[in-house]
Amino acid sequence: AQSVTQLGSHVSVSEGALVLLRCNYSSSVPPYLFWYVQYPNQGLQLLLKYTTGATLVKGINGFEAEFKKSETSFHLTKPSAHMSDAAEYFCAVSGFQGAQKLVFGQGTRLTINP
Amino acid sequence: DTEVTQTPKHLVMGMTNKKSLKCEQHMGHRAMYWYKQKAKKPPELMFVYSYEKLSINESVPSRFSPECPNSSLLNLHLHALQPEDSALYLCASSVQGAMETQYFGPGTRLLVL
Repeated sequence: AQSVTQLGSHVSVSEGALVLLRCNYSSSVPPYLFWYVQYPNQGLQLLLKYTTGATLVKGINGFEAEFKKSETSFHLTKPSAHMSDAAEYFCAVSGFQGAQKLVFGQGTRLTINP
Repeated sequence: DTEVTQTPKHLVMGMTNKKSLKCEQHMGHRAMYWYKQKAKKPPELMFVYSYEKLSINESVPSRFSPECPNSSLLNLHLHALQPEDSALYLCASSVQGAMETQYFGPGTRLLVL
């Protein structure tokens, strides 16, 4: 079975500050890991994903994440927060061979203070 | 074109009504999904279609009936819903396989009275 834990249901940072959203996963098979963002009243948009290869993954809007197998983590970072980053962020894992089940974390709401 | 469209955007229905949600993609994707999302919660998978055949049903009540008429279209037929079924219903599609990105539509916000 696979699962995802996002530490902190709500994170608040000042504009221009570092954004760090934490994600830990559990998987019995090599995981594929995703970060999605959801703006109010919208669907989910992919920020970045890790499948294989380089463990530091760069995504859209200046976000990046590092896959650390030893720590079973896939934390999302952005060096400098912008007001437009305020949204709900979901970490997700998949890895069933031939299947398409995404298991989502509970989400982290990011608030940006001016 | 990486767009998944969903209609309607909003739907209000009574518990005795029959309605349908529609999802469309023209990316050539062969996997399509229905998710249900309650407020302040992550999406919950309901159904997966792979090559137009139902491959995953997450023990969804029979008052929800999915249909995939062709590779670009996905419907969700609703009948005799309960107020607790009120939620945002998201459609997604992907090329195929566990590592592929799922592209989400904007959702249909459903209110059952």
